[in-house]
Amino acid sequence: EPEVTQTPSHQVTQMGQEVILRCVPISNHLYFYWYRQILGQKVEFLVSFYNNEISEKSEIFDDQFSVERPDGSNFTLKIRSTKLEDSAMYFCASSASGGGHQPQHFGDGTRLSIL
Amino acid sequence: TQLLEQSPQFLSIQEGENLTVYCNSSSVFSSLQWYRQEPGEGPVLLVTVVTGGEVKKLKRLTFQFGDARKDSSLHITAAQPGDTGLYLCAGGGGNQFYFGTGTSLTVIP
Repeated sequence: EPEVTQTPSHQVTQMGQEVILRCVPISNHLYFYWYRQILGQKVEFLVSFYNNEISEKSEIFDDQFSVERPDGSNFTLKIRSTKLEDSAMYFCASSASGGGHQPQHFGDGTRLSIL
Repeated sequence: TQLLEQSPQFLSIQEGENLTVYCNSSSVFSSLQWYRQEPGEGPVLLVTVVTGGEVKKLKRLTFQFGDARKDSSLHITAAQPGDTGLYLCAGGGGNQFYFGTGTSLTVIP
């Protein structure tokens, strides 16, 4: 069964550095998402992306965050200047269509640790 | 931000028992999804419910969407140790999804 893959599985970065998290969504999916889960807390929506632009974003997704689909397969989340509170699991997901009715398929996440 | 509250937060039961997990909100959702998450992995979709009052069954799991599309329940019959995990509900609105606070289930053999 096709799956969403995320790299790296664990990223350790110094505070203030830029970090790029990478995702390869399922190939025929059109909607892409990023979520984060701080340790012990709930999964939080960051952003959804369709047709090469952001379709929705949460208040967490401020101007330190950006997303990009640089080629036909990768979907990336960039954090420009990381803070300690950015430490979390970051999950990428994709779905065949939007509107909330189609299932989202999640990757296994990238654990981001900011020192 | 639309809030989804799940209850109970933690549940520990013996193998063979039945249980129900609840997901409640004051907001209306166009759909609601249930996921199970294992440690170190991403959430895995169990079911999507779309119509108010809808009931879906997945083997020993029964999912119900409230008539007003604000709440949902997950009932597990004859729980098994393999059911152990974190159960998450998520409400959909547009292309944004709100996850519940989660229910951590432990089934003791």
